[in-house]
Amino acid sequence: EAQVTQNPRYLITVTGKKLTVTCSQNMNHEYMSWYRQDPGLGLRQIYYSMNVEVTDKGDVPEGYKVSRKEKRNFPLILESPSPNQTSLYFCASRPGTGNQPQHFGDGTRLSIL
Amino acid sequence: AQSVTQLGSHVSVSEGALVLLRCNYSSSVPPYLFWYVQYPNQGLQLLLKYTSAATLVKGINGFEAEFKKSETSFHLTKPSAHMSDAAEYFCAVSYADSNYQLIWGAGTKLIIKP
Repeated sequence: EAQVTQNPRYLITVTGKKLTVTCSQNMNHEYMSWYRQDPGLGLRQIYYSMNVEVTDKGDVPEGYKVSRKEKRNFPLILESPSPNQTSLYFCASRPGTGNQPQHFGDGTRLSIL
Repeated sequence: AQSVTQLGSHVSVSEGALVLLRCNYSSSVPPYLFWYVQYPNQGLQLLLKYTSAATLVKGINGFEAEFKKSETSFHLTKPSAHMSDAAEYFCAVSYADSNYQLIWGAGTKLIIKP
């Protein structure tokens, strides 16, 4: 089954403790992206990747890092999480060519205390 | 900068009534247009997309949307609401000259009254 898998689905942690949210897709998609979703603000893009070893900032990249060492994986790293990063996070992927719809993971709810 | 406006953060309709969710985009160049739906505790899934083949686009679950260039709109409709339609709906646009990056509306939560 074609899917985007995020882990963990839920995480409660404390300020300053480094964490990584993993994202993996099995559709051989070139493009991958991370979003955060906050009430009333819709989805805001954090980082995206057009292909392996190619990443770029989205609208709200501060406090986040990403890497794209393999095509299928696109982890989101919070080196020193802060309470304002408490949010619902989504990973998405799509083919690199043309205007194709994005496939989304089920989301990761992060709470930073 | 291009933007997407969804009128109404919450829309409430009775079961069986018409559903109308509004979406307007800001640019003079027609974009590619999408509607996504998010059911509670789930990710987003594609409802329908407009790619210039036809102005009236049919999607899943009985939804459709009409592209109106003169009004820069892409409103989503369904003739008869069902309780299972309760969800949040997002309109998004993309452009070829920006690598098809999606620009999102803020979302509209659809509430169905029994």
